[in-house]
Amino acid sequence: AQKVTQAQTEISVVEKEDVTLDCVYETRDTTYYLFWYKQPPSGELVFLIRRNSFDEQNEISGRYSWNFQKSTSSFNFTITASQVVDSAVYFCALSEPVGSGGTSYGKLTFGQGTILTVHP
Amino acid sequence: DGGITQSPKYLFRKEGQNVTLSCEQNLNHDAMYWYRQDPGQGLRLIYYSQIVNDFQKGDIAEGYSVSREKKESFPLTVTSAQKNPTAFYLCATRPHAEETQYFGPGTRLLVL
Repeated sequence: AQKVTQAQTEISVVEKEDVTLDCVYETRDTTYYLFWYKQPPSGELVFLIRRNSFDEQNEISGRYSWNFQKSTSSFNFTITASQVVDSAVYFCALSEPVGSGGTSYGKLTFGQGTILTVHP
Repeated sequence: DGGITQSPKYLFRKEGQNVTLSCEQNLNHDAMYWYRQDPGQGLRLIYYSQIVNDFQKGDIAEGYSVSREKKESFPLTVTSAQKNPTAFYLCATRPHAEETQYFGPGTRLLVL
């Protein structure tokens, strides 16, 4: 069975601090996908990034960066120079690949989420 | 405007009542999903549908029902058999041959 663990329930930082959100996953699949979503107070989940299991390159997008390490089954998310608008709940998720013959339906397994609060 | 719409934003259910949550999309995505989110927890899959007129149970389907008569629509009915329906319900869609799911704004269901 797949499992995602976000050990940090809540993180509180002051604006301009860097913050890293941890994500550890378990799966027996050799091909899988990892995701980060942001859930602002409005409730809608906003897609941030997708990474497949064969691509261990780190990714940077503006103030956001992601560190995928297959050896430790981790997919951590760093926000550099945090801002108040970054305050939200962040979810890490894992999915099995979608099969061409309908053998897989892309079910997402979510972590519990990390509540990030950025204070001015 | 392309996107996923869920209505209503808030829904109140009386004891013993069935209620239906709407999910509509104009993205032409094939697959649609319903998730439930409880406070302080991640999302759990209720039902999913990969094509019209076909749907499958997820991890917590008991007390829920769905239909997929049109590609654009995937309504979720919370039946009286669901004893603890208070939660935030999120609908998601996924394009064909792509892995990413995109979420609607959600419906908050409360029991009176």
